[in-house]
Amino acid sequence: DAKTTQPNSMESNEEEPVHLPCNHSTISGTDYIHWYRQLPSQGPEYVIHGLTSNVNNRMASLAIAEDRKSSTLILHRATLRDAAVYYCILRDPWGYQKVTFGTGTKLQVIP
Amino acid sequence: DGGITQSPKYLFRKEGQNVTLSCEQNLNHDAMYWYRQDPGQGLRLIYYSQIVNDFQKGDIAEGYSVSREKKESFPLTVTSAQKNPTAFYLCASSIGGPPMNTGELFFGEGSRLTVL
Repeated sequence: DAKTTQPNSMESNEEEPVHLPCNHSTISGTDYIHWYRQLPSQGPEYVIHGLTSNVNNRMASLAIAEDRKSSTLILHRATLRDAAVYYCILRDPWGYQKVTFGTGTKLQVIP
Repeated sequence: DGGITQSPKYLFRKEGQNVTLSCEQNLNHDAMYWYRQDPGQGLRLIYYSQIVNDFQKGDIAEGYSVSREKKESFPLTVTSAQKNPTAFYLCASSIGGPPMNTGELFFGEGSRLTVL
């Protein structure tokens, strides 16, 4: 299964945009890119996913590179409640359902 | 409300004892997963199941066992063979089978196991 690489940590000022990068150079043509976030002592929650085109929802935006080897999760205005660990994973819709997570990016939001 | 329920939330165990963590979902999902998380670390896959009566080892299955006798239930047993079982355990589910495999994962609130 294809792997993802993310920075260990990032900082952002409150109310400023945040761009969280993810590299997935071995992504296959059918893999979907998913993002999740995890607050302390809680289970991860789904944020957004996409295949090729950029995606927007009420929580965030997902920008996918043209070659699909990288993607960026965009939080338009960071709040203190956005402080969490963010995970980027790949999901193969045609393979067996082994879904693995990396170590994620810990986002710190500074008031 | 639909969702995933894990129990117990906290569990203490003496060395040498087996313990079973419960995971129940009412989302009618086919696929279910167990992950382990150590402090400051990411999630590591223990076991996963795509359908009833079938399951596969993940990356760290040694010392763990599972069963999938019902679609809604996927219990995890931490056996005495697991050398360092103290961790946070997370159960998840998703719609299974193509072309629905792109579906999001739903996680429970987790079970924190401490070995005394």
